[in-house]
Amino acid sequence: NAGVTQTPKFQVLKTGQSMTLQCAQDMNHEYMSWYRQDPGMGLRLIHYSVGAGITDQGEVPNGYNVSRSTTEDFPLRLLSAAPSQTSVYFCASSKRGDTQYFGPGTRLTVL
Amino acid sequence: AQSVSQHNHHVILSEAASLELGCNYSYGGTVNLFWYVQYPGQHLQLLLKYFSGDPLVKGIKGFEAEFIKSKFSFNLRKPSVQWSDTAEYFCAVTLLGSGAGSYQLTFGKGTKLSVIP
Repeated sequence: NAGVTQTPKFQVLKTGQSMTLQCAQDMNHEYMSWYRQDPGMGLRLIHYSVGAGITDQGEVPNGYNVSRSTTEDFPLRLLSAAPSQTSVYFCASSKRGDTQYFGPGTRLTVL
Repeated sequence: AQSVSQHNHHVILSEAASLELGCNYSYGGTVNLFWYVQYPGQHLQLLLKYFSGDPLVKGIKGFEAEFIKSKFSFNLRKPSVQWSDTAEYFCAVTLLGSGAGSYQLTFGKGTKLSVIP
């Protein structure tokens, strides 16, 4: 049981480049979410999904896209990277109202 | 809008000192409450949670928290901290009910704890 996995662990992008952060879970959780963590800001919700085919925006969705074609996978796409998107990104999954399990994170730097 | 407040940004303690970290939330409905810990360079891990029942909940590594409904508070405590407790601590709340809101966690901004040997 791997839990929540994320790839890559580290990534450096140039302004304007696009990329996809991968997230997968093997716990059959219906809920998956993406957060970004910045110093002094806590964790802020980017997008979330309550099941395959269902996604919605969180607190800071601009510049990011998601899709959920399967229960297991929830990729986060950066459409045109900006320096303001330099952050640590965490994926999480859970059952309704229950403990969220977090992945190891992706540290992204946009130059 | 719903919010979670953590009163202290950075707490510095000596080993064996007692710890209390404050957390208040602004929801009026039924909530599930969580404390997560993030050790340096690592991801968030669950420390303890409250869903219902005894308002004093015990978690891992000697931590406990008390839910006081009338004060909308869920403070984290530990009688005697160790150097290995140096980490960032996050309070989080889920508002129960229908819809996607009952899945979402709202986090406080976190409290950094530094324990001096």
